[in-house]
Amino acid sequence: EVQLLESGGGLEQPGGSLRLSCAASGFTFSAYDMTWVRQAPGKGLEWVATVTGSGVTKYYADSVKGRFTISRDNSKNNLFLQMNSLRAEDTAVYYCAKRFCAGGVCHSFDYWGHGTLVTVSS
Amino acid sequence: EIVLTQSPATLSLSPGERATLSCRASQNVNSYLAWYQQKPGQAPRLLIYDASNMATGIPARFSGSGSGTDFILTISSLEPEDFAVYYCQQRSTWPRITFGQGTRLEIK
Repeated sequence: EVQLLESGGGLEQPGGSLRLSCAASGFTFSAYDMTWVRQAPGKGLEWVATVTGSGVTKYYADSVKGRFTISRDNSKNNLFLQMNSLRAEDTAVYYCAKRFCAGGVCHSFDYWGHGTLVTVSS
Repeated sequence: EIVLTQSPATLSLSPGERATLSCRASQNVNSYLAWYQQKPGQAPRLLIYDASNMATGIPARFSGSGSGTDFILTISSLEPEDFAVYYCQQRSTWPRITFGQGTRLEIK
């Protein structure tokens, strides 16, 4: 059974840092791109960052580029999001999500974690 | 950036009725569009991928159609558990995906 379990959220002051983790199980972790998606309170979904299966290539939304770093440890099946220079507008539930692939074609997100809440406030 | 516009923002229907939700893309996304359902306090759940393909375990009352810029999610006969928020998402510009703003399906 595929499971994604986020941790590391909490309350942080503007300008501070947090490191989110996502523990994956039930699938061949290194074979899949992994993504962070966030959702501000009462708002819609926003793509944050994606890392390829190898961990070599990383992509970021303009809103977090230069402040956030996505990474992964394929030996331990973990995905990370290092969040620096936090702003109030980064307040959201952060989800890790696995891409669904079939027949050699990869599609959208078939599994999501339960999310971890990040609150940036003084 | 491809903008997805969902309509209506809120849809009020009764159990047993048919629901039709729309998603319009600002540019051609081919058939690279997915639909998700999200209930309060839960993560999104994949319903439909690539415009019309049903995800695993999704009831047959859900269906998707469309291509290019105009897409529809249909729920043929609403069950009480279907009242939730629905999002569309395009992967044409993967990994720089975008989501629609959501349609809230509420009980009338």
